[in-house]
Amino acid sequence: NAGVTQTPKFRVLKTGQSMTLLCAQDMNHEYMYWYRQDPGMGLRLIHYSVGEGTTAKGEVPDGYNVSRLKKQNFLLGLESAAPSQTSVYFCASILGDLNTGELFFGEGSRLTVL
Amino acid sequence: KNQVEQSPQSLIILEGKNCTLQCNYTVSPFSNLRWYKQDTGRGPVSLTIMTFSENTKSNGRYTATLDADTKQSSLHITASQLSDSASYICVVSARTGGFKTIFGAGTRLFVKA
Repeated sequence: NAGVTQTPKFRVLKTGQSMTLLCAQDMNHEYMYWYRQDPGMGLRLIHYSVGEGTTAKGEVPDGYNVSRLKKQNFLLGLESAAPSQTSVYFCASILGDLNTGELFFGEGSRLTVL
Repeated sequence: KNQVEQSPQSLIILEGKNCTLQCNYTVSPFSNLRWYKQDTGRGPVSLTIMTFSENTKSNGRYTATLDADTKQSSLHITASQLSDSASYICVVSARTGGFKTIFGAGTRLFVKA
């Protein structure tokens, strides 16, 4: 039972390049989330999904897109990377509601944009 | 404004000693408060979750307390171990129709031998 798996773990991009981060969970959770973690700040929600085929914007969605074509996968895309998107990205999933359930996090994906 | 503030920002203690981390919040209406442990280079892992009616909850050597009246929580670590070196994150959720979960910036704990 792997839990929440993120790929890749590290990536370096040049400004303007695009990429996709993949999150996979094997716990049959309905809700999935993408966060970014920056030094001195709490995790901030980028986008989330309450089920297969659904997505919604979080606190800091600009410059990112997401897709949830399969229940177990949640993809985060950067269309045109900017240095401000240098961060550590965490995917999380939850069985119940975000307000009541326990979040399970992946190990993180460290992205550097030059 | 919904905020979660943690103190201290960082803390150094000797192995075997106890310590207490603080969390103050202004998130409302309050739903629950969670503490997470995040090892360097890893994802956060849940330690405790407390609802409005719970004053204390333990997980091994970790004990969290909640005072919903003063909107304060603390995480007490007993008999610290080197493996306790990590960031500890306080997370507060509001009871709303949508989502409102605010993460604190964390307290970085260093346990020295």
